[in-house]
Amino acid sequence: GENVEQHPSTLSVQEGDSAVIKCTYSDSASNYFPWYKQELGKGPQLIIDIRSNVGEKKDQRIAVTLNKTAKHFSLHITETQPEDSAVYFCAARNNAGNMLTFGGGTRLMVKP
Amino acid sequence: EAGVVQSPRYKIIEKKQPVAFWCNPISGHNTLYWYRQNLGQGPELLIRYENEEAVDDSQLPKDRFSAERLKGVDSTLKIQPAELGDSAVYLCASSPGRGGETQYFGPGTRLLVL
Repeated sequence: GENVEQHPSTLSVQEGDSAVIKCTYSDSASNYFPWYKQELGKGPQLIIDIRSNVGEKKDQRIAVTLNKTAKHFSLHITETQPEDSAVYFCAARNNAGNMLTFGGGTRLMVKP
Repeated sequence: EAGVVQSPRYKIIEKKQPVAFWCNPISGHNTLYWYRQNLGQGPELLIRYENEEAVDDSQLPKDRFSAERLKGVDSTLKIQPAELGDSAVYLCASSPGRGGETQYFGPGTRLLVL
């Protein structure tokens, strides 16, 4: 089955700096890659997603890039703010389109 | 629009006791998922429903876990008997169509088995 690895497991940045989280996946047929933000005591919330026919997608301070050849995708957050502090999960949807496999998560801490 | 609703939010039980979790998905969402999230890890799928049919339950420990989605709307996940290793957050999610695209998660039920 699909295997998704996420790095780093923790990331600490100063407010205003950029943060980058990277994920790799194993199933070359995976075609949908969402990113979720999970705050303490809450469920994961979708923040951005990308499909395999697109190399990059941006939404204000958040961007995601996808390299299908290398089977990796990344989340970029610019001008980080303290409220960006949370755990971020990447995921990949399998070829059959019926299952999301999640990475292990990255705890992002933005220091004011 | 209301999001995915789960109850209870927290549950503490002793091992060997039964426990049940309830989920009401977003109105109109045909697909419902139950995930288990262990501390410091990503969610892992337990079971997926398309309307009232369980179409993927390969990861559900069937000796002690059961689930139902009568009438294809809300769903219940049950553990009987609970074990210490079942302590985790149980997340429910829903999506408007088939497959894993754009899943919306509820707040989860945090279970502690003593």
